Amino acid sequence: EVQLVESGGGLVQPGGSLRLSCSASGFTFSSYAMYWVRQAPGKGLEYVSTVNYNGISTYYADSVKGRLTIFRDNSRNTLYFQMSSLRAEDTAVYYCVKGRLRFMDRSAFDIWGQGTMVTVSS
Amino acid sequence: DIQMTQSPSTLSASVGDRVTITCRASESISNWLAWYQQKPGKAPKLLIYQASSLESGVPSRFSGSGSGTEFTLTISSLQPDDFATYYCQQYNTYSPWTFGQGTKVEIK
Repeated sequence: EVQLVESGGGLVQPGGSLRLSCSASGFTFSSYAMYWVRQAPGKGLEYVSTVNYNGISTYYADSVKGRLTIFRDNSRNTLYFQMSSLRAEDTAVYYCVKGRLRFMDRSAFDIWGQGTMVTVSS
Repeated sequence: DIQMTQSPSTLSASVGDRVTITCRASESISNWLAWYQQKPGKAPKLLIYQASSLESGVPSRFSGSGSGTEFTLTISSLQPDDFATYYCQQYNTYSPWTFGQGTKVEIK
């Protein structure tokens, strides 16, 4: 079964840091671009970041550029999201997502994790 | 950035109704468009990719159409399990991918 399981969410103070992890199973992790998408409480979906299949290329939404870093360890089938200088507006459920097409950065998102909640508050 | 605008924001319908949701892009995205369904407290689920291709396992009552800047998601006969929020998403440009604001389908 194809599965993505996020961990690492929690309560953090403004200006603080957090690292999210996403463990993948059931597919060849190293062949697919991976993404983070977030959803603030009661709001819609917001694309946050992409890492291509081999980790060489990364992309970020302007709202997180310079503060959040996406990377992956293909030997461990794990995606990461290093979050720093966190703000109240970063409060959201963060979803780890798999791209549908092998080796392509541009594809629909076919598998989603269950999400992990990040709350930024003093 | 490419803006995606969905209409309506909320839709009230009955079981068995034919339902259509529209998504407009601020510039042409060819057919690089996906539709997702999300139920409360759950992760989104891919329904349609490349504007009109049905994802494996998705019921055939769901269909997508359009290209360029205007797209539609149609549910041919609304079922109780279909009451949810639907999002369109463009993936035409590398950065950033963008979602519509969502359409909530409610029970009439």
